[in-house]
Amino acid sequence: AQSVTQLDSHVSVSEGTPVLLRCNYSSSYSPSLFWYVQHPNKGLQLLLKYTSAATLVKGINGFEAEFKKSETSFHLTKPSAHMSDAAEYFCVVSDRNQGGKLIFGQGTELSVKP
Amino acid sequence: EAGVTQSPTHLIKTRGQQATLRCSPISGHTSVYWYQQALGLGLQFLLWYDEGEERNRGNFPPRFSGRQFPNYSSELNVNALELEDSALYLCASGYSGNTIYFGEGSWLTVV
Repeated sequence: AQSVTQLDSHVSVSEGTPVLLRCNYSSSYSPSLFWYVQHPNKGLQLLLKYTSAATLVKGINGFEAEFKKSETSFHLTKPSAHMSDAAEYFCVVSDRNQGGKLIFGQGTELSVKP
Repeated sequence: EAGVTQSPTHLIKTRGQQATLRCSPISGHTSVYWYQQALGLGLQFLLWYDEGEERNRGNFPPRFSGRQFPNYSSELNVNALELEDSALYLCASGYSGNTIYFGEGSWLTVV
């Protein structure tokens, strides 16, 4: 069965400092992995996706994630946090045996201090 | 190009009533997914429709149902509403297992 685990329920950083949101996955085959962001009272926006091409994936708003098969990880990073990055972030795996149904991690709330 | 659109944005119902939520997928997408995001429970998979057929459903009681129309739009029906059904209901669309895109959601409040 496919699953993802987000290792931190809440991360707090100062504006201008790096962001690291951690995600481990479990999959019986090469997974499709995603990061989505949800701002307060909003829907989900796709940040980036990994689909077995390059292991370093660049997304929107300066975010990127690296797929590490040996560590079964797909951590999200950004070199310099901005106040507008404060939101809930979800690591997601797609179950291709179920038409791409998404399986969500529990989410990490990112706070950015001025 | 229009994204996934959902209506209504907000809906208030009383316990025992029925709620109907609607979703229009991105043009060309044949799959529609419904998710429930209740406070403290994360995102829970509800239903998946593709080409007009229900392909999979999550661990929800039968009073959660829906359908997909020939134009691929979809509606979610929740019968016999309970207070615990209060949540953000998110619709997403995709095509052939490719990336799934979400709408802004419909807030359902049961009082």
